[in-house]
Amino acid sequence: EAGVTQFPSHSVIEKGQTVTLRCDPISGHDNLYWYRRVMGKEIKFLLHFVKESKQDESGMPNNRFLAERTGGTYSTLKVQPAELEDSGVYFCASSQALTDFRGYTFGSGTRLTVV
Amino acid sequence: TQLLEQSPQFLSIQEGENLTVYCNSSSVFSSLQWYRQEPGEGPVLLVTVVTGGEVKKLKRLTFQFGDARKDSSLHITAAQPGDTGLYLCGTSYGKLTFGQGTILTVHP
Repeated sequence: EAGVTQFPSHSVIEKGQTVTLRCDPISGHDNLYWYRRVMGKEIKFLLHFVKESKQDESGMPNNRFLAERTGGTYSTLKVQPAELEDSGVYFCASSQALTDFRGYTFGSGTRLTVV
Repeated sequence: TQLLEQSPQFLSIQEGENLTVYCNSSSVFSSLQWYRQEPGEGPVLLVTVVTGGEVKKLKRLTFQFGDARKDSSLHITAAQPGDTGLYLCGTSYGKLTFGQGTILTVHP
Protein backbone atom coordinates (compact mmCIF):
# COMPACT_ATOMS: atom_id res chain seq x y z
CA GLU A 1 0.00 0.00 0.00
CA ALA A 2 1.17 3.53 -0.69
CA GLY A 3 2.36 5.40 2.36
CA VAL A 4 1.59 8.87 3.61
CA THR A 5 2.84 11.42 1.13
CA GLN A 6 3.81 14.94 2.01
CA PHE A 7 4.92 17.78 -0.20
CA PRO A 8 6.87 19.78 -0.61
CA SER A 9 9.70 18.03 1.17
CA HIS A 10 11.42 21.35 1.76
CA SER A 11 10.24 24.93 1.66
CA VAL A 12 12.19 28.10 2.29
CA ILE A 13 10.13 31.27 2.51
CA GLU A 14 10.53 34.77 3.79
CA LYS A 15 8.88 36.03 6.92
CA GLY A 16 5.42 37.31 6.09
CA GLN A 17 4.87 35.01 3.14
CA THR A 18 2.32 32.24 2.90
CA VAL A 19 3.09 28.54 2.61
CA THR A 20 0.76 25.61 2.09
CA LEU A 21 1.78 22.10 3.03
CA ARG A 22 -0.05 19.10 1.68
CA CYS A 23 -0.58 15.62 3.05
CA ASP A 24 -2.04 12.62 1.28
CA PRO A 25 -2.90 9.93 3.85
CA ILE A 26 -3.12 6.24 3.22
CA SER A 27 -6.29 5.51 1.28
CA GLY A 28 -9.09 4.52 3.62
CA HIS A 29 -7.54 6.07 6.73
CA ASP A 30 -10.17 8.27 8.30
CA ASN A 31 -7.80 9.71 10.89
CA LEU A 32 -5.26 12.27 9.79
CA TYR A 33 -2.91 14.11 12.11
CA TRP A 34 -0.51 16.99 11.79
CA TYR A 35 2.55 17.24 14.00
CA ARG A 36 5.47 19.62 14.17
CA ARG A 37 9.03 19.33 15.40
CA VAL A 38 10.78 22.55 16.14
CA MET A 39 14.58 22.40 16.40
CA GLY A 40 15.66 20.81 19.65
CA LYS A 41 12.16 20.07 20.84
CA GLU A 42 9.94 17.03 20.81
CA ILE A 43 7.41 16.29 18.11
CA LYS A 44 4.20 18.03 19.09
CA PHE A 45 0.65 17.42 18.03
CA LEU A 46 -1.10 20.13 16.04
CA LEU A 47 -4.47 18.74 15.07
CA HIS A 48 -6.51 15.68 14.22
CA PHE A 49 -9.08 15.14 11.49
CA VAL A 50 -11.63 12.38 11.38
CA LYS A 51 -12.63 12.34 7.77
CA GLU A 52 -13.28 15.99 6.94
CA SER A 53 -14.04 17.10 10.50
CA LYS A 54 -11.58 18.61 12.94
CA GLN A 55 -11.66 16.29 15.95
CA ASP A 56 -9.03 18.06 17.99
CA GLU A 57 -7.16 21.23 17.11
CA SER A 58 -5.82 21.95 20.56
CA GLY A 59 -2.23 21.94 19.36
CA MET A 60 -2.57 24.64 16.73
CA PRO A 61 -0.26 27.43 17.86
CA ASN A 62 -2.30 30.41 16.68
CA ASN A 63 -4.70 31.66 14.05
CA ARG A 64 -1.96 31.99 11.45
CA PHE A 65 -2.31 28.25 10.95
CA LEU A 66 -5.25 26.90 8.98
CA ALA A 67 -5.81 23.22 8.27
CA GLU A 68 -8.37 21.79 5.92
CA ARG A 69 -9.36 18.36 4.73
CA THR A 70 -11.95 18.82 2.06
CA GLY A 71 -13.79 15.64 1.18
CA GLY A 72 -11.97 13.71 3.84
CA THR A 73 -9.06 12.82 1.59
CA TYR A 74 -5.91 14.92 1.46
CA SER A 75 -5.23 17.72 3.89
CA THR A 76 -3.53 21.08 3.64
CA LEU A 77 -1.90 23.15 6.33
CA LYS A 78 -1.51 26.81 5.50
CA VAL A 79 0.67 29.21 7.42
CA GLN A 80 -0.18 32.84 6.76
CA PRO A 81 1.77 34.99 7.41
CA ALA A 82 4.77 32.87 8.30
CA GLU A 83 7.01 33.89 11.20
CA LEU A 84 10.56 32.84 12.01
CA GLU A 85 9.41 30.60 14.87
CA ASP A 86 7.30 28.57 12.46
CA SER A 87 10.45 26.93 11.12
CA GLY A 88 10.60 23.22 11.75
CA VAL A 89 9.59 19.89 10.30
CA TYR A 90 5.89 19.31 9.81
CA PHE A 91 4.77 15.70 9.85
CA CYS A 92 1.51 14.23 8.78
CA ALA A 93 0.31 10.85 9.97
CA SER A 94 -2.73 8.72 9.34
CA SER A 95 -4.39 5.78 11.00
CA GLN A 96 -7.37 3.60 10.38
CA ALA A 97 -8.70 3.56 13.92
CA LEU A 98 -8.68 6.12 16.71
CA THR A 99 -6.51 3.97 18.92
CA ASP A 100 -4.55 2.00 16.41
CA PHE A 101 -2.19 -0.55 17.84
CA ARG A 102 -0.77 -1.01 14.40
CA GLY A 103 0.56 2.46 14.80
CA TYR A 104 0.32 5.63 12.93
CA THR A 105 1.94 5.86 9.53
CA PHE A 106 3.96 9.02 9.16
CA GLY A 107 4.97 10.89 6.08
CA SER A 108 8.56 11.97 5.57
CA GLY A 109 7.74 15.48 6.64
CA THR A 110 8.05 18.95 5.18
CA ARG A 111 11.02 20.95 6.40
CA LEU A 112 9.92 24.56 6.57
CA THR A 113 12.49 27.30 6.92
CA VAL A 114 11.31 30.86 7.42
CA VAL A 115 14.03 33.46 6.86
CA THR B 1 -1.95 15.23 28.72
CA GLN B 2 0.56 12.58 29.78
CA LEU B 3 4.12 13.86 30.01
CA LEU B 4 6.64 11.37 28.74
CA GLU B 5 10.26 11.60 29.75
CA GLN B 6 12.90 9.74 27.84
CA SER B 7 16.45 9.09 28.92
CA PRO B 8 19.15 9.39 27.99
CA GLN B 9 18.71 12.18 25.48
CA PHE B 10 21.90 11.25 23.64
CA LEU B 11 23.73 7.94 23.45
CA SER B 12 26.95 7.32 21.57
CA ILE B 13 28.33 3.79 21.66
CA GLN B 14 30.57 1.39 19.79
CA GLU B 15 29.31 -1.39 17.59
CA GLY B 16 28.63 -4.51 19.61
CA GLU B 17 27.71 -2.78 22.84
CA ASN B 18 24.36 -3.10 24.56
CA LEU B 19 22.15 -0.18 25.53
CA THR B 20 18.86 0.64 27.19
CA VAL B 21 16.56 3.59 26.59
CA TYR B 22 13.89 4.51 29.12
CA CYS B 23 10.48 6.12 28.84
CA ASN B 24 8.72 7.23 32.01
CA SER B 25 5.56 8.99 33.05
CA SER B 26 3.78 9.86 36.26
CA SER B 27 0.56 8.70 34.62
CA VAL B 28 -0.62 5.26 33.63
CA PHE B 29 -0.36 4.46 29.95
CA SER B 30 -3.26 2.85 28.15
CA SER B 31 -0.74 1.67 25.59
CA LEU B 32 2.69 2.74 24.51
CA GLN B 33 4.43 2.73 21.20
CA TRP B 34 8.08 2.90 20.28
CA TYR B 35 9.12 4.54 17.03
CA ARG B 36 12.42 4.94 15.24
CA GLN B 37 13.12 7.93 13.05
CA GLU B 38 15.95 8.31 10.57
CA PRO B 39 17.08 11.66 9.13
CA GLY B 40 14.73 12.94 6.44
CA GLU B 41 12.03 10.43 7.30
CA GLY B 42 9.04 10.28 9.58
CA PRO B 43 8.85 8.05 12.65
CA VAL B 44 8.29 4.37 11.94
CA LEU B 45 6.50 2.16 14.42
CA LEU B 46 8.61 -0.55 16.07
CA VAL B 47 6.20 -1.98 18.61
CA THR B 48 3.07 -1.37 20.65
CA VAL B 49 2.87 -2.61 24.24
CA VAL B 50 -0.44 -2.81 26.02
CA THR B 51 -0.29 -5.15 29.00
CA GLY B 52 1.61 -4.37 32.21
CA GLY B 53 4.74 -6.50 32.44
CA GLU B 54 4.65 -7.29 28.75
CA VAL B 55 7.92 -8.07 26.97
CA LYS B 56 8.21 -8.01 23.20
CA LYS B 57 11.21 -8.87 21.11
CA LEU B 58 12.06 -7.65 17.65
CA LYS B 59 15.34 -9.29 16.61
CA ARG B 60 17.98 -7.60 18.80
CA LEU B 61 15.47 -5.18 20.30
CA THR B 62 13.63 -6.02 23.52
CA PHE B 63 10.76 -3.85 24.70
CA GLN B 64 9.42 -4.02 28.22
CA PHE B 65 6.31 -2.44 29.67
CA GLY B 66 6.35 -1.79 33.40
CA ASP B 67 3.95 -3.70 35.63
CA ALA B 68 2.18 -0.48 36.57
CA ARG B 69 2.12 0.69 32.94
CA LYS B 70 3.90 3.91 33.83
CA ASP B 71 7.25 3.13 32.26
CA SER B 72 8.83 1.27 29.41
CA SER B 73 12.28 0.40 28.21
CA LEU B 74 13.94 -0.48 24.95
CA HIS B 75 17.04 -2.65 25.13
CA ILE B 76 19.28 -3.21 22.13
CA THR B 77 21.74 -6.08 22.19
CA ALA B 78 24.96 -5.93 20.19
CA ALA B 79 24.16 -2.60 18.59
CA GLN B 80 25.05 -2.07 14.96
CA PRO B 81 25.63 1.13 12.97
CA GLY B 82 22.29 0.53 11.26
CA ASP B 83 20.58 1.05 14.63
CA THR B 84 21.61 4.70 14.56
CA GLY B 85 18.60 7.00 14.73
CA LEU B 86 16.14 8.79 16.93
CA TYR B 87 14.09 6.54 19.18
CA LEU B 88 10.76 7.88 20.37
CA CYS B 89 8.21 6.59 22.78
CA GLY B 90 4.63 7.74 22.42
CA THR B 91 1.28 7.14 23.99
CA SER B 92 -1.98 7.72 22.27
CA TYR B 93 -5.66 8.06 22.28
CA GLY B 94 -6.58 9.92 19.13
CA LYS B 95 -3.29 11.75 19.13
CA LEU B 96 0.23 10.70 19.90
CA THR B 97 2.13 12.35 22.68
CA PHE B 98 5.83 11.81 22.21
CA GLY B 99 8.76 11.87 24.52
CA GLN B 100 11.65 14.09 23.46
CA GLY B 101 13.48 11.14 22.02
CA THR B 102 16.87 9.48 22.37
CA ILE B 103 19.42 10.11 19.66
CA LEU B 104 21.46 6.94 19.30
CA THR B 105 24.74 6.86 17.40
CA VAL B 106 26.48 3.54 16.92
CA HIS B 107 30.07 3.84 15.74
CA PRO B 108 31.62 1.07 13.64
